[in-house]
Amino acid sequence: KQEVTQIPAALSVPEGENLVLNCSFTDSAIYNLQWFRQDPGKGLTSLLLIQSSQREQTSGRLNASLDKSSGRSTLYIAASQPGDSATYLCAVRTSGSRLTFGEGTQLTVNP
Amino acid sequence: DAGVIQSPRHEVTEMGQEVTLRCKPISGHNSLFWYRQTMMRGLELLIYFNNNVPIDDSGMPEDRFSAKMPNASFSTLKIQPSEPRDSAVYFCASTNFRLGQGARGANVLTFGAGSRLTVL
Repeated sequence: KQEVTQIPAALSVPEGENLVLNCSFTDSAIYNLQWFRQDPGKGLTSLLLIQSSQREQTSGRLNASLDKSSGRSTLYIAASQPGDSATYLCAVRTSGSRLTFGEGTQLTVNP
Repeated sequence: DAGVIQSPRHEVTEMGQEVTLRCKPISGHNSLFWYRQTMMRGLELLIYFNNNVPIDDSGMPEDRFSAKMPNASFSTLKIQPSEPRDSAVYFCASTNFRLGQGARGANVLTFGAGSRLTVL
């Protein structure tokens, strides 16, 4: 059974800092890995999707990497802003269409 | 595209009542998911459909929960009878599932805004 762990559970940083969120998974036989953002009281918004054959994906100030063999992914946020404050979740797709989610990292960027 | 549309956004009901949550996936998507989110347990997959067929319902808590997808553009999640422990935010999500990389946007899971259920 796939298990996804995210560290840290919560992170508070000053504005402008670069930061890294971590995601690890136990079963390396994945199709892809997706990073999401969730604002309080809202649904999840997809940020980046990395296919199993890829090493990284970039979108603006976000860069996600994938090391399938070690069961790890990182989400790098450059020059963080208060608007980046949210909960970030990673999810891995293994068999079929099923996604397994981590419990998320709650990020606070202080002005 | 209007995205994944869920209704109602909020529902407050009394224990024992029937609750029906509705979802309209993105047109052209072939997979639909129902998730439940609580503070205690985070996001839990309840059931997912591929091409309108239920593939995995192992996450459905008990017989009080049922889900249907009569066509590619509509799904329901029903709780009967509802209990206070069912209080949660229920999310519907859809994707165009393709093995391999597929076309741009394939396999990206898109969530609805959620239905917040409170059972008193």
